[in-house]
Order: sequence, then structure tokens, then C-alpha cells
Amino acid sequence: SQQGEEDPQALSIQEGENATMNCSYKTSINNLQWYRQNSGRGLVHLILIRSNEREKHSGRLRVTLDTSKKSSSLLITASRAADTASYFCATRDTGFQKLVFGTGTRLLVSP
Amino acid sequence: GAGVSQSPSNKVTEKGKDVELRCDPISGHTALYWYRQSLGQGLEFLIYFQGNSAPDKSGLPSDRFSAERTGGSVSTLTIQRTQQEDSAVYLCASSLEGDSNLGGYTFGSGTRLTVV
Repeated sequence: SQQGEEDPQALSIQEGENATMNCSYKTSINNLQWYRQNSGRGLVHLILIRSNEREKHSGRLRVTLDTSKKSSSLLITASRAADTASYFCATRDTGFQKLVFGTGTRLLVSP
Repeated sequence: GAGVSQSPSNKVTEKGKDVELRCDPISGHTALYWYRQSLGQGLEFLIYFQGNSAPDKSGLPSDRFSAERTGGSVSTLTIQRTQQEDSAVYLCASSLEGDSNLGGYTFGSGTRLTVV
């Protein structure tokens, strides 16, 4: 089953613009993670935010987490054509070991 | 190895045949996961191994699917009597420990299975 839902499903922007993707989930979580996938193959872990954290940064990435609203956002600043990929959020429920992935946002960054 | 290795990278099989997909996790990673991804879809959890504990098989879609992890390392996902709806990319991932709050999964490049 999929718990997270990303919004929007697809996003098209120009290089240099910022890209914001949102993720909503349904249960209590231990942590929330964002992954990137190129060309429908392996996923790459981008960033993890714990349930007691509200914001985290990594390079051009900024992640926020609002556990009261059960939502998270991923902001990519100053986007590049190489950022074109699908982005997935994944949650680890409290008491469970596995990650549950959302449906993904397809990001297209045009030069 | 340096990363998670999956083989084969592509597999075309006839409906009704059995297939075996292999995953070689990162050395020292005690947790191993199998997911599958149908075209344009999210990831569907299949099975999870953690050390010597009994695996979490709650995501296996039918009894045609089974998986083993030998010696706490290499894992094999077996699909018996394949059906066309089994066509998908099968992704394997490993992590240091199942309950880690420190880092994420490392994924392999997947096996693209096509059942004709």
C-alpha cells in the first residue's frame, strides 16, 4: 500500500527557478525521507528528516516537516536541467521497519 | 561491494515460466528490502529481511512470490508461473539496520522483468 501522496504529480519549470514538491501521509511516523529516481531505475536517497525535526537543509535542498498536518515539502533552489527526475517521499511508521513510498512527482527542468 | 548489485538488469520471460532475481547488498548491511515498480507508478513493498529475524512478507502479492536471504547477505526473489501483470522493475535496497533513524536505503539499479 502507498501512504504518501506527492503533489503535484508533474512539475515543469525553467532552469534557475525553484521547485517545490509536497508530500502528505496518513499515520504517525518515525522519519520521512526523500528520494530521487532517474529513468525509472534505482532510487537515490536525498535527505532524511526525523519526526522531531521541522526543517533540514542539504545543499540546494530544503525539507520541511509538519507532523500536525502530516505533510512535508521538498524545495530545490536554483534548479538545473540535471535535476530532471522523479522525486518520492517515503515514511517509516513508528513501530514498523519498512519504508512506504508515495506516488512521486515528475520534475522537468528546461534549459 | 560499493553498492547494491542486482542481476539480471533485464529479463524477458514467457508467461508461465519461473524467474529468479538476485540482489547482492552492501557488505555489512543487515537489512534488505524488495520493492517493485510498475510503469509510471510508485514503489510497492514486497518483503523485508532484518538479520536473523523472520522476514516481513506482508507485501508479497501472491503465493507465486517467494524470497530467500542466504547467510544474511545475498537475496533471491523467485516468481513462479509468471503472469503478464508481474511485468515491472524489481528493486532491491539495503540499509545498515532496519530501525535506523540515521540514514536511508541504498537501492540497486533494479531488474526490469517483462513477461510475454
